[in-house]
Amino acid sequence: EDKVVQSPLSLVVHEGDTVTLNCSYEVTNFRSLLWYKQEKKAPTFLFMLTSSGIEKKSGRLSSILDKKELFSILNITATQTGDSAVYLCAVVLADTPLVFGKGTRLSVIA
Amino acid sequence: DTGVSQDPRHKITKRGQNVTFRCDPISEHNRLYWYRQTLGQGPEFLTYFQNEAQLEKSRLLSDRFSAERPKGSFSTLEIQRTEQGDSAMYLCASSSLGQPQHFGDGTRLSIL
Repeated sequence: EDKVVQSPLSLVVHEGDTVTLNCSYEVTNFRSLLWYKQEKKAPTFLFMLTSSGIEKKSGRLSSILDKKELFSILNITATQTGDSAVYLCAVVLADTPLVFGKGTRLSVIA
Repeated sequence: DTGVSQDPRHKITKRGQNVTFRCDPISEHNRLYWYRQTLGQGPEFLTYFQNEAQLEKSRLLSDRFSAERPKGSFSTLEIQRTEQGDSAMYLCASSSLGQPQHFGDGTRLSIL
């Protein structure tokens, strides 16, 4: 059975801290891995990773994929209260559009 | 830029009633997906369309669930004879082939 596991499930940090969110997967027919941020409503797209070892960066957020060890990390530097959300990792397979992990709930306190 | 639009935002109904949700994708996207999300879980894939063709429907939760996309634009998800366990957020997403999916705000279904 295809599986995506995120850790930690929840995390509380202070503003200015750096956090690393983890996503590991055991799937067949891997195509790519995506990260989303979900606040109260729709998951919003952050990154799409297809190749191993190439870091994607957007402002204070960055992500990288390791296809040999089957995991990805999402880093957030200099966290702000607006970063508080659930961060979802999802894997695109050949025959099932997205398989999601349970998410990591990040709370950033002032 | 109009994103994915879902209607209604919230639906409250009695057990045993039928409900229908609508999704309008981003206009240039030919793929449309339905997911269900319950509290504390990631979205769970239900079904998807490429244009008007339904390419995968084996993940629909039971035969009470059905989806259509008759003209390859908007889609509807219907649940017949609703049960308590159907209470969840139903999310729609759209994309072009090989591109990331973009989600709507969802329809929250509450079964009394």
